[in-house]
Amino acid sequence: GAGVSQSPSNKVTEKGKDVELRCDPISGHTALYWYRQSLGQGLEFLIYFQGNSAPDKSGLPSDRFSAERTGGSVSTLTIQRTQQEDSAVYLCASSLAIRETQYFGPGTRLLVL
Amino acid sequence: AQTVTQSQPEMSVQEAETVTLSCTYDTSESNYYLFWYKQPPSRQMILVIRQEAYKQQNATENRFSVNFQKAAKSFSLKISDSQLGDTAMYFCAFMWSGTASKLTFGTGTRLQVTL
Repeated sequence: GAGVSQSPSNKVTEKGKDVELRCDPISGHTALYWYRQSLGQGLEFLIYFQGNSAPDKSGLPSDRFSAERTGGSVSTLTIQRTQQEDSAVYLCASSLAIRETQYFGPGTRLLVL
Repeated sequence: AQTVTQSQPEMSVQEAETVTLSCTYDTSESNYYLFWYKQPPSRQMILVIRQEAYKQQNATENRFSVNFQKAAKSFSLKISDSQLGDTAMYFCAFMWSGTASKLTFGTGTRLQVTL
């Protein structure tokens, strides 16, 4: 079946602009995760959803970052007033349930100029 | 907090040979899961293998197998009969089986398979 999809694939924005990144999980997967991959910090957990609720937001780096999930399916990660240090690849993953294997999407590469 | 260490930033292996990638982790938990993921240049993170800590038997998936040493907190990946398509970054990852469901990743090992 279809895997995790993310859009856009690449995004270039100017410092100070807001961006929205979208993740469409595997159908039927109840858990959804966001990670960030950058040269300096490696792979970092940002937030995860169980259904529409986010039990763990501990990885969000600042209040400029927010995420939501609606209908237990698609999730949007929003970064407000982007900074150059936000440049990274943002990866989304989903799993059938929590503590199950996570399957990743292709990521969104964000470049903040 | 859990930490995952991959001490080999880069490795190279000839096609058809065997290579072992190292991973150690630190945790005070007794129930957890360990994973190896592969990330080729396409950027897609692909699951290679999964190991449950409560299982003594080492996981295997075709040419991929692990050596899981729980007491030593070691989780190495062996790739047999290496193929050019195995060229990728390999990440070791830890997941606690408690309420936290996030993956903690190592820094990765870049594997190059050569002719």
